[in-house]
Amino acid sequence: GAGVSQTPSNKVTEKGKYVELRCDPISGHTALYWYRQSLGQGPEFLIYFQGTGAADDSGLPNDRFFAVRPEGSVSTLKIQRTERGDSAVYLCASSPTVLSGRTDTQYFGPGTRLTVL
Amino acid sequence: DQQVKQNSPSLSVQEGRISILNCDYTNSMFDYFLWYKKYPAEGPTFLISISSIKDKNEDGRFTVFLNKSAKHLSLHIVPSQPGDSAVYFCAARGNNFNKFYFGSGTKLNVKP
Repeated sequence: GAGVSQTPSNKVTEKGKYVELRCDPISGHTALYWYRQSLGQGPEFLIYFQGTGAADDSGLPNDRFFAVRPEGSVSTLKIQRTERGDSAVYLCASSPTVLSGRTDTQYFGPGTRLTVL
Repeated sequence: DQQVKQNSPSLSVQEGRISILNCDYTNSMFDYFLWYKKYPAEGPTFLISISSIKDKNEDGRFTVFLNKSAKHLSLHIVPSQPGDSAVYFCAARGNNFNKFYFGSGTKLNVKP
């Protein structure tokens, strides 16, 4: 079956512009995560969706970052007024949710490399 | 404040030998730990996991050990193969929510 897909694979933008990054999770996975990975670092949690709602958005760095998942499947990460420090690889992961409500194994997409000039 | 730490940025091992990758954490409330493997230009791929109620989990050539008192886990790969060359991340989950914390990774190079 298809894994997690992310588009675009690469995005180059200018400082101050608006960008949208898309994630298509594995079909049937109720949980969806966004992470940011800077060079030489591990993935850093941004936001977690359970279904359509953001269950935890404590990792979003500021109000320029926003994410939606309107139908509980595809998610879009939106960044307004981009800054050079936003340059990173943005990873999406999806996970089935077990009966206890916990998520265990996450399946990652290939990421979108964002470069802000 | 990094709650999951991988203090060795790189490791080089001869093919056939054992690779040992280490990970330390600071939060005693973490209840689930995972190791991921990452090749360049790809997302991390799940490798093996362990619950905090266990101290060892084995899957083929991969074994994860958990020492809760030391807040330390390790991944053993034996025998190491050149195809194991990748960046390995450890991750931990908080016990009261589904938030995961990742280490900074260790780049493993297995020499033929």
